[in-house]
Amino acid sequence: GIQVEQSPPDLILQEGANSTLRCNFSDSVNNLQWFHQNPWGQLINLFYIPSGTKQNGRLSATTVATERYSLLYISSSQTTDSGVYFCAADRGSTLGRLYFGRGTQLTVWP
Amino acid sequence: DGGITQSPKYLFRKEGQNVTLSCEQNLNHDAMYWYRQDPGQGLRLIYYSQIVNDFQKGDIAEGYSVSREKKESFPLTVTSAQKNPTAFYLCASSPLGYQPQHFGDGTRLSIL
Repeated sequence: GIQVEQSPPDLILQEGANSTLRCNFSDSVNNLQWFHQNPWGQLINLFYIPSGTKQNGRLSATTVATERYSLLYISSSQTTDSGVYFCAADRGSTLGRLYFGRGTQLTVWP
Repeated sequence: DGGITQSPKYLFRKEGQNVTLSCEQNLNHDAMYWYRQDPGQGLRLIYYSQIVNDFQKGDIAEGYSVSREKKESFPLTVTSAQKNPTAFYLCASSPLGYQPQHFGDGTRLSIL
């Protein structure tokens, strides 16, 4: 399978700060997703981004497939951004199964 | 609204007992998946199915069983052979091909 590594494992921010989360993967991918898991355990889709750049409000993501990494940017962070951010990837050989990283635990203080 | 419904939200299992977790989707997705999450860990794949009456083992299938009799339903049974079943279980679905997966709200299983 694909090895997915996320950094940093933990991140503590003051409200209003910006942050960058990184995801490295060990093989070429046809599917890469970023998720936010809230304190209740709900896993929310943020981006489907096997390559290129996308933006959604204060969040944006970039995947450089040739260099096997993806970045998630959070600008002007809010307390509601707290939770665990997961990156998951699939190389497409088995149609859709995702390999997850261990996540980045983000805590935003008011 | 279309979505994925998992039930129950909380489940308790006695020693030696089988329990079944429900997953239903009305997104008309062909593929469905079951993942397990342990504290501080990412998700690991238990089983997945791309078509009715067919499914494949994931990385940690031992002690679990599934069925796919209907397109919209993919129940997971945690058998007594699973010696450490306490975890958070998440069900997902997606269209076939290179498409994003969408997740239900999960079921927390604990041992009495």
